[in-house]
Amino acid sequence: GAGVSQSPSNKVTEKGKDVELRCDPISGHTALYWYRQRLGQGLEFLIYFQGNSAPDKSGLPSDRFSAERTGESVSTLTIQRTQQEDSAVYLCASSLGGTSYNSPLHFGNGTRLTVT
Amino acid sequence: GDSVTQMEGPVTLSEEAFLTINCTYTATGYPSLFWYVQYPGEGLQLLLKATKADDKGSNKGFEATYRKETTSFHLEKGSVQVSDSAVYFCALSDRSNDYKLSFGAGTTVTVRA
Repeated sequence: GAGVSQSPSNKVTEKGKDVELRCDPISGHTALYWYRQRLGQGLEFLIYFQGNSAPDKSGLPSDRFSAERTGESVSTLTIQRTQQEDSAVYLCASSLGGTSYNSPLHFGNGTRLTVT
Repeated sequence: GDSVTQMEGPVTLSEEAFLTINCTYTATGYPSLFWYVQYPGEGLQLLLKATKADDKGSNKGFEATYRKETTSFHLEKGSVQVSDSAVYFCALSDRSNDYKLSFGAGTTVTVRA
């Protein structure tokens, strides 16, 4: 079946522009996550959705970052006034919900964002 | 806060060689531990997991044992194949936030025929 789909796969933008990244989770997965991976670093948690609500936004680095989810399906991560330090691979994952032990995360291939 | 430190790569080895990737963790509680793998062109996927001390997770010939005394969860495989070439990520989930994973930086493994 279809996995987690992210678009675009690559995005190059100029400093100061806004960008929107999209994630289509696996159908029926109630939990959705955004992570970020900077070059040479581990995956950094950004935000967690359960349904359309985000009970944990603790990883969003600044108020330039926001995310929403609608219809318990697609999610968008928006970065306003992009900075060079925002350059990274942004990964989306979904799961059936519950604990990460019982419900493994399924990841998309990511969006590689480059801010010039 | 919780963190995971794993062996830096890249690691290059020949088919049928023994592979070990070290992973140690720091956690305030008693975490669950995971290895995720990313094959070329694919998203990360769960490889194996363990939830308590001395538990051994295993899958596809890979094994890792939860060692509480050394706070480690090293990944091993006795005889690697070219198809094992991938990036391997160690991760933990703290029981107070058990929906969320904290990941290491990943170790790139290349197996040559």
